[in-house]
Amino acid sequence: KQEVTQIPAALSVPEGENLVLNCSFTDSAIYNLQWFRQDPGKGLTSLLLIQSSQREQTSGRLNASLDKSSGRSTLYIAASQPGDSATYLCAVTPEGGYNKLIFGAGTRLAVHP
Amino acid sequence: GAVVSQHPSRVICKSGTSVKIECRSLDFQATTMFWYRQFPKQSLMLMATSNEGSKATYEQGVEKDKFLINHASLTLSTLTVTSAHPEDSSFYICSARDPGVSYEQYFGPGTRLTVT
Repeated sequence: KQEVTQIPAALSVPEGENLVLNCSFTDSAIYNLQWFRQDPGKGLTSLLLIQSSQREQTSGRLNASLDKSSGRSTLYIAASQPGDSATYLCAVTPEGGYNKLIFGAGTRLAVHP
Repeated sequence: GAVVSQHPSRVICKSGTSVKIECRSLDFQATTMFWYRQFPKQSLMLMATSNEGSKATYEQGVEKDKFLINHASLTLSTLTVTSAHPEDSSFYICSARDPGVSYEQYFGPGTRLTVT
């Protein structure tokens, strides 16, 4: 059974810091991995999607890497801003399970001025 | 980009009543929609997969008679929580898959259900 774990559960940093959020998954047979952002009481916004054949994806200040064989992904946020404060969720799509997203519990990020 | 809406955004109902939540894809046709539940400070758990014109597929442990899902058109899926109990209070989020974008799901803003 695929399980997704995110570390740390919560993180508080001063504005301007570079930070790394971690995601691990137990079964390396995945189709892709996605990072989402969720603001309190809101839905999800897709940040980055990495196909299983890819090593990383970048969007602005965000960079996500994927090491499928070791079951790990990291989300790197450069020069953090208060507006980055949110919960960041990692989710995998299992191979052959194209309809399923299996989520981690998320990392709650607070960036203070 | 693909937009998914949900209605209502918040609903309060009394125990024993039923409540319907709508999920709409606004600018694309979604052959498949998904319903998730999220408890406070926990992750999203898939409840069921809804395919247009056919019966929904429920995940293990989800009562299909309690959570009725209807996907009558390519842009609308509904989730009806029947005989609601306080433990059904949760954040319900739907997503829709755009068949033109390989397996990517677009999420609605969620519905906060409170059962008193």
